[in-house]
Amino acid sequence: SYELTQPPSVSVSPGQTARITCSGDALPKQYAYWYQQKPGQAPVLVIYKDSERPSGIPERFSGSSSGTTVTLTISGVQAEDEADYYCQSADSTNTWVFGGGTKLTVL
Amino acid sequence: QVQLVQSGAEVRKPGASVKVSCKASGYTFTSYAMHWVRQAPGQRLEWMGWINAGNGNTKYSQKFQGRVTITRDTSATTAYMELSSLRSEDTAVYYCARDSTIAAAGIAWGQGTLVTVSS
Repeated sequence: SYELTQPPSVSVSPGQTARITCSGDALPKQYAYWYQQKPGQAPVLVIYKDSERPSGIPERFSGSSSGTTVTLTISGVQAEDEADYYCQSADSTNTWVFGGGTKLTVL
Repeated sequence: QVQLVQSGAEVRKPGASVKVSCKASGYTFTSYAMHWVRQAPGQRLEWMGWINAGNGNTKYSQKFQGRVTITRDTSATTAYMELSSLRSEDTAVYYCARDSTIAAAGIAWGQGTLVTVSS
């Protein structure tokens, strides 16, 4: 299997832009997905197929891809965005791999 | 709307087995795969395996191969995950998650089931 690498933590002030990266050798060939997880809750999908946003997810969440790195960008961060964020990818057999997670702190 | 409701918390002794259920509603159960993901306290999400709810085919993570069995009951629209030979490191919240035709990812998740392994 392969690995997805995320920074353990990112900090940002309210109203600023947060960028969370996820790196992996398989990412040029496979889509990436992003989840938000708040304490005691199940994950919520916020970005699919690198840059698509599910219905109901605020427009301030966006995703991009470049080579072996995908990036989740949260523009105009709000206090409610403080959470853990996980990237995920899947191979052709629908085997999922998760990154280690990034704790977003809103200062 | 899509809803996944899991069974309640469980406590097991080391060496025992546990079976967690995931009752699905709001969609055609046999049209989608169901995945199982676990999360130990303070740790990352960890994928365990999935089942094609239509034909019952399964795929497991190599880490859990031989210890995990995922099944489904189409008449009850319920998926099950059984983990055997439990050890303390298996203490975690276990989630079921349904994927989508547009995303190889969990678009809907159960609320999670805490499994505690302790002597």
